[in-house]
Amino acid sequence: AQSVSQHNHHVILSEAASLELGCNYSYGGTVNLFWYVQYPGQHLQLLLKYFSGDPLVKGIKGFEAEFIKSKFSFNLRKPSVQWSDTAEYFCAVNENYGGSQGNLIFGKGTKLSVKP
Amino acid sequence: DADVTQTPRNRITKTGKRIMLECSQTKGHDRMYWYRQDPGLGLRLIYYSFDVKDINKGEISDGYSVSRQAQAKFSLSLESAIPNQTALYFCATSDLVGNQPQHFGDGTRLSIL
Repeated sequence: AQSVSQHNHHVILSEAASLELGCNYSYGGTVNLFWYVQYPGQHLQLLLKYFSGDPLVKGIKGFEAEFIKSKFSFNLRKPSVQWSDTAEYFCAVNENYGGSQGNLIFGKGTKLSVKP
Repeated sequence: DADVTQTPRNRITKTGKRIMLECSQTKGHDRMYWYRQDPGLGLRLIYYSFDVKDINKGEISDGYSVSRQAQAKFSLSLESAIPNQTALYFCATSDLVGNQPQHFGDGTRLSIL
């Protein structure tokens, strides 16, 4: 069965520090990859997505992620975090059948706390 | 944005009660989903529906049932609630055609005493 692993449960950074959150998945076929963010008390919102093409994907709020197929990874990065980035981040994967998609499989999430 | 609306937003109830959580959407999407979120476990899929006549079990369907009353409405029921069903429940939608990511409602926080 497909699975998604997020290596860090809780990351604590100071403002202006750089961020990298790890995500690995287990499926060997064609996949779509997503990062979602959940701010405290809110629902999930899409940060960025990868379907095909350039493996370096840029999303909202200065976030980016790089798909490395050989490593089955899709790590999220941001050069300089802000206090407002404090949230929980979820990596998700689904299978790409070429015109339709399988169901999303979520990682367990990484809580990011940014100290002002 | 209120494209996906969940009711109620919060509910406290007792063990053994029947609970219904409702979800409606204005996005015109074919697929609808119910997830539960527990601390440290991420989101887990309970049930999903590709259209009104198509209902499928997800990863953790035991103890739950669903009804797809119309393309826009998908309700989740707990027939006899138990404390370990205390969680945050999210409804989501996606478009069947293409590779659209899912859109989430604001969640229902359910506490079972």
